[in-house]
Amino acid sequence: EPEVTQTPSHQVTQMGQEVILRCVPISNHLYFYWYRQILGQKVEFLVSFYNNEISEKSEIFDDQFSVERPDGSNFTLKIRSTKLEDSAMYFCASSDWGNEQFFGPGTRLTVL
Amino acid sequence: AQTVTQSQPEMSVQEAETVTLSCTYDTSENNYYLFWYKQPPSRQMILVIRQEAYKQQNATENRFSVNFQKAAKSFSLKISDSQLGDTAMYFCAFMKKDNQGGKLIFGQGTELSVKP
Repeated sequence: EPEVTQTPSHQVTQMGQEVILRCVPISNHLYFYWYRQILGQKVEFLVSFYNNEISEKSEIFDDQFSVERPDGSNFTLKIRSTKLEDSAMYFCASSDWGNEQFFGPGTRLTVL
Repeated sequence: AQTVTQSQPEMSVQEAETVTLSCTYDTSENNYYLFWYKQPPSRQMILVIRQEAYKQQNATENRFSVNFQKAAKSFSLKISDSQLGDTAMYFCAFMKKDNQGGKLIFGQGTELSVKP
């Protein structure tokens, strides 16, 4: 069964460093998403991406964040200069017709 | 703006019994989806069940069923014959239906413990 994959599973970085979180969505899907979950809190929407551009972003998704689909398979989230409060689980999701979203296993980001 | 509220932070149930998790939402939209996601300790997000707002019939997936009350904006999840593997955090989520691929808006979650 096709699934969304994410790498790495855990990333530790120093405050101020750049990180890139990688996702491989399900191959025939058209809609891509990033969500984050701070430990013990609810899952929050960051950004959605369709037809090679951002379709919607949240207030969290400020200038420090960017997304890219560099080739036909990968979907990346870049955080330019990490802050302590960026420590969270980051989930990638994809969808074919924009209804049911399939989630990856997540990347746990720890900013020291 | 849409909001989703889960008023039960924690619940517990005995194995083989039935439990109902509550969820209410607020929206002015008419076309939307509602979901329940399960998050076990691994933190993977697993879709449990989906309901389309225009369908009056409540969705059912094996031991999982929903009670969708559109007018009351309520969407509860019933788990029958609870199993130890049902122990997890459960999130209710709302998604507006549009052709841009709507975002999911999640509730705060209910932590369910199934006791042997």
